[in-house]
Amino acid sequence: DAGVIQSPRHEVTEMGQEVTLRCKPISGHDYLFWYRQTMMRGLELLIYFNNNVPIDDSGMPEDRFSAKMPNASFSTLKIQPSEPRDSAVYFCASSHNRGRNEKLFFGSGTQLSVL
Amino acid sequence: SQQGEEDPQALSIQEGENATMNCSYKTSINNLQWYRQNSGRGLVHLILIRSNEREKHSGRLRVTLDTSKKSSSLLITASRAADTASYFCATGTSGSRLTFGEGTQLTVNP
Repeated sequence: DAGVIQSPRHEVTEMGQEVTLRCKPISGHDYLFWYRQTMMRGLELLIYFNNNVPIDDSGMPEDRFSAKMPNASFSTLKIQPSEPRDSAVYFCASSHNRGRNEKLFFGSGTQLSVL
Repeated sequence: SQQGEEDPQALSIQEGENATMNCSYKTSINNLQWYRQNSGRGLVHLILIRSNEREKHSGRLRVTLDTSKKSSSLLITASRAADTASYFCATGTSGSRLTFGEGTQLTVNP
């Protein structure tokens, strides 16, 4: 199994630009999570999906952030417009959860720098 | 706010010594998990302990859970330089949320 695949690995952009992060979960996993990691705030849950449906987006910082999961094998996290304070490592994770908080499998993350 | 808080924030030991990290949390949980993160990489699941369990072992790892004190500990025995990483506890509460603590940075000196 290839694991959770995220792209790009690094993204450098200028303030105001649109940024799209991509994630391919492990085949057969029915839960997908987006986390953001910074030194100041640690790991924050942004949003998670179950069977492609967003379940909890209460962690999404503001309307500039949006996430979609058009099918079981692909999800995107979009920031429009981006701001310097969005600079962080964004992780995607998936699990076969069955509603019992089973273990997460993380991707390698996208290091986002907004200048 | 973070559900889990790790202690200490940083720990430096010599190879062969044991490393103990602690995690405290605030609300009732379904389970508690420990993850490891090497620098520049994603998190890797280490071990899961359910709320009705008190102790669990996996190789050189030993995890305890005290629900009355709302705390857990991770013990790594006979540490190796390759164990150098950040270690996070994560609490599973309602639904499918996992909330992570701020982590303990472990350095194992050869």
